[in-house]
Amino acid sequence: DGGITQSPKYLFRKEGQNVTLSCEQNLNHDAMYWYRQDPGQGLRLIYYSQIVNDFQKGDIAEGYSVSREKKESFPLTVTSAQKNPTAFYLCASSARDRGIGTEAFFGQGTRLTVV
Amino acid sequence: AQTVTQSQPEMSVQEAETVTLSCTYDTSESDYYLFWYKQPPSRQMILVIRQEAYKQQNATENRFSVNFQKAAKSFSLKISDSQLGDAAMYFCAYRSRRYNQGGKLIFGQGTELSVKP
Repeated sequence: DGGITQSPKYLFRKEGQNVTLSCEQNLNHDAMYWYRQDPGQGLRLIYYSQIVNDFQKGDIAEGYSVSREKKESFPLTVTSAQKNPTAFYLCASSARDRGIGTEAFFGQGTRLTVV
Repeated sequence: AQTVTQSQPEMSVQEAETVTLSCTYDTSESDYYLFWYKQPPSRQMILVIRQEAYKQQNATENRFSVNFQKAAKSFSLKISDSQLGDAAMYFCAYRSRRYNQGGKLIFGQGTELSVKP
C-alpha cells in the first residue's frame, strides 16, 4: 500500500542529545514537509523540500536540521539547540501542483518527549 | 504572509444535527487552495474537503460542504447529519499555488468538535 511511514511512534530524548525522526514515502511525491504540533497552536512548518538535495526553512527551523538525499526519505534531526522539543511531529508529502489541487498526505506522527 | 484563523477552539453538536465550523484567512494572492483536515484521536490527519479559489461553486463531499466567500476571505465547513465518528480536531489550511511557496500548508489553530449521542 502507498503511504507515508514515520518512525518511531514515540521517542524520548535526554537533555543535550540529538535525535532523528524518520519519514519515508512510497507515493513518488516530489515534495515533503515537516510540521510540529503543539496544543492550541495548530501545525507549524519546520522544513520542506521540493526536490532531492534541496530544502528550505519553514517558520520554526531553529534547532532542527534535515536532509533529502533520496526522493523517498526526509529525516528530521532535533538538535540540542532546540530548547523545547517536546511536541508531536508530523511528516507530509505531496505531488507537484499541476493544477489539480494536489493534497498533502500525512504520516501517523512521532511523539517526542524530553526526559 | 498568509494567515489562517479559526476562532472557535471548541464546538459541540448533537448527533444527527448540523454544525458549522468557521475559518477566515488573509492573503494578497488570487489563486490558492483551501482545505479542511480532520484529526481524530489517533492523530492521523485526514483530508475532508478541498476548494480551489478560482472555482465559485462550493465544494461538497457527502455530508460535508463548504461556504467559500472569496471576497470576505471566509471558508466555513458544514457537517450535516453529524455522526459520533465526526468527533475530532478540525483544521482549516491554506496553500498557495505559487511554485516558490513550495506547496506548504498554513494551518489554523484548530477546532475541537465533540458529538453528543
